[in-house]
This record gives sequence, C-alpha cells and structure tokens, in this order.
Amino acid sequence: QLQLQESGPGLVKPSETLSLTCTVSSGSISSSGYYWGWIRQPPGKGLEWIGSVSYSGTTFYNPSLKSRVTISVDASKNQFSLKLSSVTAADTAVYYCARHGGGWAYWGQGTLVTVSS
Amino acid sequence: DIVMTQTPLSSPVTLGQPASISCRSSQSLVHSDGNTYLSWLQQRPGQPPRLLIYKISNRFSGVPDRFSGSGAGTDFTLKISRVEAEDVGVYYCTQATQFPYTFGQGTKLEIK
Repeated sequence: QLQLQESGPGLVKPSETLSLTCTVSSGSISSSGYYWGWIRQPPGKGLEWIGSVSYSGTTFYNPSLKSRVTISVDASKNQFSLKLSSVTAADTAVYYCARHGGGWAYWGQGTLVTVSS
Repeated sequence: DIVMTQTPLSSPVTLGQPASISCRSSQSLVHSDGNTYLSWLQQRPGQPPRLLIYKISNRFSGVPDRFSGSGAGTDFTLKISRVEAEDVGVYYCTQATQFPYTFGQGTKLEIK
C-alpha cells in the first residue's frame, strides 16, 4: 500500500520560510494520472488545499497562497516538497501531503508546524 | 472559488441508526471530461483524513458498504446506513473539478 511521510522542522520563526518534504514509499511518484498535493489544517479547524504537483512537475497553487508557495517534485528520490515563505502565526497548522487521482486516496500522518519566535 | 456548504455541521446519532450529511457546491461540479470530482473524507480524532467516497458514489478500497454517496450537479449526500462507534469523527466533502480545490466546513458526527 502506498505510504506518504512528511518531514521538516516543527517550529519556524515569523517571516522565515517553511520547508517540508513528503517521501513516497511502496509506489512511484512518477505514476501518471496522479497529483501530489499539500493540504493544511489549523488547530481545531478545517482543511485547506495549498497546491499540487504532477509527476512531470506541473504545479497548481491556491491563489490565496500562490505568492508565497513553491511545490516541486524530485522523482529520483520519490519525494515532493513544499516551501511557504514569509510565514506568520496564521500559517501554524498540521501540514499533510497526499495523493490525488479522482479523490484524495492516500495521506501522510501530518506534521504540526508552529510559527513562533 | 467553488464554495462547498455542508449541513448539518453537527449530527448526534444513535448507534445503529442511519445518518445523512448534505453538501452543496456553489457551481456545478461536472468536469469537462464528464466526471464529477466530488469526494467524501472521514477524519477520526487525531488522525489524518481518510477517503470514503470518490466521484460522487464510488466507495474507496476497504470502506464498509454502510457508507454510500449520491447526488449530481451541485447537491450531494453521504449516508451511513447504520452508525457504529468507529464512525465518530468529522466528515468533509471536497471538490476537485476546478482549481482551487476546496473543502466543506466539516460535519461532526457524534453518538447520542
């Protein structure tokens, strides 16, 4: 069964860049027909789509975050990454990576990122 | 952006009884390829979301058949035929027909 695992710092200072990586195992990130995405969930709140990348590197971003977001894929490592710049306390959330192909079928466990000095 | 509106936001249900959650989108979710990319997710406490239903009515692998989805266009429903204790959590509808992908606010299912 496909597995996804987020990794990265759990604490980021305001105005700095949040960087997370999602490692895919038991499957290839290069499988066609799927998008690899990042979704976040502030504590006690709902889900927000951040953006997605295809295996070929085509990206789609939420306009509300687009100016600050970069998502990239490294097929050689079976990973994809998220960078979110100029973070504030409002970016504190659990960040999930997931695969989409008709539905968000596979999810990582999520990683809590706190923005605080 | 397509706004997804769920009702109710909270649903107390007796064990063994049915439950139903509605989801309405602000625009039709029919994609140009003919598919309707409306899914339902379940999030148990402390867990990541889990896909239950995709493309309106297709049950994902391993999902019990007491879960079913229906609807078309802008109105969709998730039904649980007989609620079990493990069904407690928050349910989200989500659309992937148009960017940006969006989610409903979530419906909290709890046992009476």
